[in-house]
Amino acid sequence: GAGVSQSPSNKVTEKGKDVELRCDPISGHTALYWYRQSLGQGLEFLIYFQGNSAPDKSGLPSDRFSAERTGGSVSTLTIQRTQQEDSAVYLCASSLVLQGHYGYTFGSGTRLTVV
Amino acid sequence: KNQVEQSPQSLIILEGKNCTLQCNYTVSPFSNLRWYKQDTGRGPVSLTIMTFSENTKSNGRYTATLDADTKQSSLHITASQLSDSASYICVVRAPGAGNMLTFGGGTRLMVKP
Repeated sequence: GAGVSQSPSNKVTEKGKDVELRCDPISGHTALYWYRQSLGQGLEFLIYFQGNSAPDKSGLPSDRFSAERTGGSVSTLTIQRTQQEDSAVYLCASSLVLQGHYGYTFGSGTRLTVV
Repeated sequence: KNQVEQSPQSLIILEGKNCTLQCNYTVSPFSNLRWYKQDTGRGPVSLTIMTFSENTKSNGRYTATLDADTKQSSLHITASQLSDSASYICVVRAPGAGNMLTFGGGTRLMVKP
């Protein structure tokens, strides 16, 4: 597609439930990033995928968070047993590896609210 | 620890006025610095990207400056418009592949008529 697509755009879930957030990167972009943006805060790195390499999971805040990237394209971020502090906007970005030096394209994000 | 500090945290200006947003960073070594605009409910959109050797970069009414010696950057907005109301995020990239970005906390700009 023309841009990075994320779904759903909004998600309200009950505390303790599992949620899945989806990211469709730009076709051909080999690098994919997940970030979290809490209200009034800067972007917090979560996880990075690059081609077939092992992902960089160093930003995941707990073992309740996991992400997959199937076929080097679509990625799913899963949050298990959601907590209220998980409420945030989850942003996905993609880039060509070399273009990562010059620019990333962000999706519009998924606003997650845990009640 | 790599840090990017932005000031002010928030700013209100009248339509048509100019403003300047500041970004100080400690990231070293340094590859490039980017300014993003993030409208409410949207993802960040790149405004300018500057490498170490560039001092200024313009994109319409937006002009970014970079002083790599003092590790400071500014984003100047000329003749502000209501649509400039957004968060402006300074992002510094270290060399290498992977997660090399350090994000500032952003400046929330509101342009009033």
